Amino acid sequence: ELKVEQNPLFLSMQEGKNYTIYCNYSTTSDRLYWYRQDPGKSLESLFVLLSNGAVKQEGRLMASLDTKARLSTLHITAAVHDLSATYFCALTMDSNYQLIWGAGTKLIIKP
Amino acid sequence: ETGVTQSPTHLIKTRGQQVTLRCSSQSGHNTVSWYQQALGQGPQFIFQYYREEENGRGNFPPRFSGLQFPNYSSELNVNALELDDSALYLCASRGPHTSGNTIYFGEGSWLTVV
Repeated sequence: ELKVEQNPLFLSMQEGKNYTIYCNYSTTSDRLYWYRQDPGKSLESLFVLLSNGAVKQEGRLMASLDTKARLSTLHITAAVHDLSATYFCALTMDSNYQLIWGAGTKLIIKP
Repeated sequence: ETGVTQSPTHLIKTRGQQVTLRCSSQSGHNTVSWYQQALGQGPQFIFQYYREEENGRGNFPPRFSGLQFPNYSSELNVNALELDDSALYLCASRGPHTSGNTIYFGEGSWLTVV
């Protein structure tokens, strides 16, 4: 059974700082997804990572995947208040598009 | 803009009633999934449809049922509503493998059971 663990679950940080959210998973996965969710809103797709060593960047966010360590990271560079949200990682396996979700990381960035 | 639209956006039902939630996906998006997200938690997979057939189901009782139609729309039906069914219900769709692996979510339907 695929299990997904995110940490930290809550993160409060100052603008301008760097930080990393970690996503560990228990078994081989086909694809790893990162989503952003604002309060009361739906899920916004950020990244899809498919292969070992994959790295994708969009603005101040960078996601990477290490399939050997079963670990993905979401790195935030020089955080700004607009990045405050809850971030989820999710994975699929066996070519099935059922998403297995982490618990989410609630990120608060203070001005 | 994800191309996935859901209705209604908010609704209130009484315990024991039945509800139908609707989703419309982009043309060509043959796979649709439904998720339940309780307040403060991550989404939970309910079921998935591919070309109008259910091809995956999460740990939800049979009173949660669904349909997918040829026009890329789908429905989630919940019978005998319970208070714990209060949640955000999300529809997600993806296109053929050749179109990429992104899974797109609709804005969700907020269900409150009283």
